[in-house]
Amino acid sequence: GIQVEQSPPDLILQEGANSTLRCNFSDSVNNLQWFHQNPWGQLINLFYIPSGTKQNGRLSATTVATERYSLLYISSSQTTDSGVYFCAVVETGANNLFFGTGTRLTVIP
Amino acid sequence: DTGVSQNPRHKITKRGQNVTFRCDPISEHNRLYWYRQTLGQGPEFLTYFQNEAQLEKSRLLSDRFSAERPKGSFSTLEIQRTEQGDSAMYLCASSRDRVYGYTFGSGTRLTVV
Repeated sequence: GIQVEQSPPDLILQEGANSTLRCNFSDSVNNLQWFHQNPWGQLINLFYIPSGTKQNGRLSATTVATERYSLLYISSSQTTDSGVYFCAVVETGANNLFFGTGTRLTVIP
Repeated sequence: DTGVSQNPRHKITKRGQNVTFRCDPISEHNRLYWYRQTLGQGPEFLTYFQNEAQLEKSRLLSDRFSAERPKGSFSTLEIQRTEQGDSAMYLCASSRDRVYGYTFGSGTRLTVV
């Protein structure tokens, strides 16, 4: 089955810093999403981005499907950005979302 | 659009008891998914419905687990004879199609004591 690896596994930032999270996947996909899981366990959909670039406020994401990776950029980080960030994909021909290993982000004031 | 709703939010049960969780998806979404998430791990796929048909089941879904979506709207997930290893967050998601975005509910956190 498909492998989805995220890096780094853990990240500690000072408030106001910028960061880049990476997601590598092993096979072709027709769906890729980035989620933020808050401390209460809620999975918040950040981006649906099977290809191209999108921006939403301080967050932006880029997926290069031909090279099988996606990047999530967080600028001017805030303490409320803390949590776990998941990349999840639907492998071509499959029906379910497969989650990566996650990046745990801690933003300190 | 009120999002995906799950009930209850928390459930504590004694080992050996049966539990049932409910998921109400976004109304225009015909696909519904159940996932399980244990501490420190990402969500893992359990099963998927398209309308009322259960089309795929993970090998994680043992014979003590059963899911239904009787009218193609809400879904229930039942766990019979619960074990301590069933303690986890159970997440429901819905989507319009596999190539569209998935929306997750807030989950039901199960603790088996």
